[in-house]
Amino acid sequence: QKEVEQDPGPLSVPEGAIVSLNCTYSNSAFQYFMWYRQYSRKGPELLMYTYSSGNKEDGRFTAQVDKSSKYISLFIRDSQPSDSATYLCAMSWSGGSNYKLTFGKGTLLTVNP
Amino acid sequence: DGGITQSPKYLFRKEGQNVTLSCEQNLNHDAMYWYRQDPGQGLRLIYYSQIVNDFQKGDIAEGYSVSREKKESFPLTVTSAQKNPTAFYLCASSTQGYPYNEQFFGPGTRLTVL
Repeated sequence: QKEVEQDPGPLSVPEGAIVSLNCTYSNSAFQYFMWYRQYSRKGPELLMYTYSSGNKEDGRFTAQVDKSSKYISLFIRDSQPSDSATYLCAMSWSGGSNYKLTFGKGTLLTVNP
Repeated sequence: DGGITQSPKYLFRKEGQNVTLSCEQNLNHDAMYWYRQDPGQGLRLIYYSQIVNDFQKGDIAEGYSVSREKKESFPLTVTSAQKNPTAFYLCASSTQGYPYNEQFFGPGTRLTVL
């Protein structure tokens, strides 16, 4: 079992739809959960991060973490064509000198006008 | 403007040649990383460095080498020992002191072996 599982899609939705992106993980030591957005042929950029369980909202984006189920989600409301990108979940644990992020494979999202 | 630069953007290599990918950052970050991205594979860590003159192997270090002589620079050499080097290579950096590891990425170098 891989440490982080993410459905690669592709996912295609009409403009204005609510999008749900998900990752599951197996390592209960993960405490920090991130979502990166990567446009085609570009480097990833951090979209949101969440510590431990709970929700975090930023504009049209909501990140959810359920540590009991080892499941994280990213919701995009009122999706726009400019949201078309690959979305990567990433996780890490704090403390010591651990600087490693563990990434999911990414989900390719297309929002159609 | 602060950021991470990678060069070249596109690189073509003949089989048997070593090539070096450049990564420079002016964010004053201590830690730097190299990832490889293949279609359907996500990001895989090649090497990382937490401090000048020190670096550690990641998950797929075979066939690659790095150096960290300056805080700002972390070049990656793809050697002829790397059997399948065609991929998109991403450099990233992060700072100590944050409770979580937010990594900032460069624009990437696409390497193609002819």
